Amino acid sequence: AQSVTQLGSHVSVSEGALVLLRCNYSSSVPPYLFWYVQYPNQGLQLLLKYTSAATLVKGINGFEAEFKKSETSFHLTKPSAHMSDAAEYFCAVNSGGYQKVTFGIGTKLQVIP
Amino acid sequence: DTGVSQNPRHKITKRGQNVTFRCDPISEHNRLYWYRQTLGQGPEFLTYFQNEAQLEKSRLLSDRFSAERPKGSFSTLEIQRTEQGDSAMYLCASSPRDRGGTQYFGPGTRLLVL
Repeated sequence: AQSVTQLGSHVSVSEGALVLLRCNYSSSVPPYLFWYVQYPNQGLQLLLKYTSAATLVKGINGFEAEFKKSETSFHLTKPSAHMSDAAEYFCAVNSGGYQKVTFGIGTKLQVIP
Repeated sequence: DTGVSQNPRHKITKRGQNVTFRCDPISEHNRLYWYRQTLGQGPEFLTYFQNEAQLEKSRLLSDRFSAERPKGSFSTLEIQRTEQGDSAMYLCASSPRDRGGTQYFGPGTRLLVL
């Protein structure tokens, strides 16, 4: 079984402030973990992906995420928020690499000027 | 651009009508997935294909829903006798055959059932 919990359905940050979006996963086998971003009325775009090669994963648009097995976490961070980062972010897990992806409920990021 | 494409992008229909959506995956990808996303939720898995074989179906996929991928290329998702609860965004994704292959998503088809 696999699942994802995203803490905080809405997060607001000031422009230039640190972005931290939280994700905890559950998986019976070593997981593949993803962060996707979705802009209004669009599909999902991959931000970054963890495949066990390195615990700190760098993605597009300055985002990165750290895999912490002991905490079963995969939190997404960006040092300095930009107005264009306002979107909905989904954490997702794929246990073992061959199964369907299970998504969290998403976190809407608001960036305040 | 050779990304995943979906048609139509929007569909408005009356309750009881049948609708069909099409997904064209990235050409070299052999896996194709359908998801449904309702407001305020993450995408929920519906079904997936490896080539033309439908390998898994979610309990969410009632008998009014059917999906095909006849030649292992494009796929169609049909909903018969639509209900207002079917209103959602239907997302298609494709991935390569390798383990942990990233799923690349299309723009989605937004369905509104009146």
